[in-house]
Amino acid sequence: GQNIDQPTEMTATEGAIVQINCTYQTSGFNGLFWYQQHAGEAPTFLSYNVLDGLEEKGRFSSFLSRSKGYSYLLLKELQMKDSASYLCAAYNNAGNMLTFGGGTRLMVKP
Amino acid sequence: GAVVSQHPSWVICKSGTSVKIECRSLDFQATTMFWYRQFPKQSLMLMATSNEGSKATYEQGVEKDKFLINHASLTLSTLTVTSAHPEDSSFYICSAMTGYEQYFGPGTRLTVT
Repeated sequence: GQNIDQPTEMTATEGAIVQINCTYQTSGFNGLFWYQQHAGEAPTFLSYNVLDGLEEKGRFSSFLSRSKGYSYLLLKELQMKDSASYLCAAYNNAGNMLTFGGGTRLMVKP
Repeated sequence: GAVVSQHPSWVICKSGTSVKIECRSLDFQATTMFWYRQFPKQSLMLMATSNEGSKATYEQGVEKDKFLINHASLTLSTLTVTSAHPEDSSFYICSAMTGYEQYFGPGTRLTVT
């Protein structure tokens, strides 16, 4: 079966750094996606990790440890517009499926 | 970049009627498209996986006779909500796959009165 866990809500201050964790247990794992979703909108792609390690893309970085079934999304220099839900999703290459976690609602405060 | 469109973006219909939602990949061919449903403050829930030219694979608990999916071409998949009821009111999102990446449509907000 598939099981994806991430915190439900987080709060952080503008300008700070926040780390959103995601643990997964899934068969046929072939990569971990992070998406950002603002209220009332469809998700937008942030990152895709297949290999272990950290990938940096501007203010956002994503880390994966396949042996631990663990990933995190790191957001630096937080801005108010970063307030959104962040979804991690495990890619299963058997059937080309994405299994989503419940999403983490991040609130950035001044 | 890859673009996926959905039509309509929002629709209001009366209970008992049917509604068709279109999902198109505009600048790429997608052999696989996915249909998701999202209720307020909840994550995406996969409804079905749609492969071009074959029957859709539905997730457990999703009624295939109620949610009709047709994937007639490599750029178009449709979801028809038949005999809609107020509990079907939701945000319906499609995505299309190219390589490892899934690109999401903007979503369709369905309200059944």
